[in-house]
Amino acid sequence: AQSVTQLGSHVSVSEGALVLLRCNYSSSVPPYLFWYVQYPNQGLQLLLKYTSAATLVKGINGFEAEFKKSETSFHLTKPSAHMSDAAEYFCAVSAHAGGTSYGKLTFGQGTILTVHP
Amino acid sequence: NAGVTQTPKFRVLKTGQSMTLLCAQDMNHEYMYWYRQDPGMGLRLIHYSVGEGTTAKGEVPDGYNVSRLKKQNFLLGLESAAPSQTSVYFCASSYSYDRGNQPQHFGDGTRLSIL
Repeated sequence: AQSVTQLGSHVSVSEGALVLLRCNYSSSVPPYLFWYVQYPNQGLQLLLKYTSAATLVKGINGFEAEFKKSETSFHLTKPSAHMSDAAEYFCAVSAHAGGTSYGKLTFGQGTILTVHP
Repeated sequence: NAGVTQTPKFRVLKTGQSMTLLCAQDMNHEYMYWYRQDPGMGLRLIHYSVGEGTTAKGEVPDGYNVSRLKKQNFLLGLESAAPSQTSVYFCASSYSYDRGNQPQHFGDGTRLSIL
C-alpha cells in the first residue's frame, strides 16, 4: 500500500521568493515519485520524476525536488517564484518496477500555489 | 500532435441518465487510466487498462464501467448518474515498460455535473 501527504493545501509567496511545496510518502516498496502541475482548466503536466537514480531531481521551469529516504519526503522547490508558477501542484507515488502496480499513481491532495507581485 | 484527447469537455446530466466519456490517445501507449478529481482530494483512480481488451478496478470503481476495445481508446460509462458523480474526469496513458517508471500523459478533462 502507498500514500502521499502534501502539507499545506494553499501556499502563498511573493514573486522572486523561494517556493517550497512539501510532500511525504508512504510505500512498502522502493517508490517512484512524481510532481505534476495543473494550470486552470487544463490537465496535469509532468514537472519531474524520481526513479532511484540521483536523489536530487531537476525538472522543467526551474523546479527541483530532493528524495530523502530517511524522512520519506520529496519536497518541491524553486529558488525564485514567477507569476506564471501560480497553479496547483500534485505529488504522486507509484510502486517500484519490480511490483505489479502497472504504473498506477496515488496522488496527494494537491497544493495551490499563489504568487503575489 | 494531439496526445490524449477527451470527449466531451463539458456535460450536464440529470440523475439517472447514462453517458459515455471517450478517451483517445495517439502515442501507442499500452496503459490507460481514468481518474476523477474532486476539491481537496487530489485525483483518484476509477479504472485502468494494461492493454487492449483488458480492464481492472481502481480505488473508486463503483457506479462506473469501462471498455477498451481498441488500443487507442478507453471509454468510461456511467450507467445511472448520481449527484455524487459530479466531478472532473481525467484520462491518462503511459508506456508499459519498466512499470511504474513511465510518466502518465493527461487529457484536459471532462467537467461533468449531475443535477
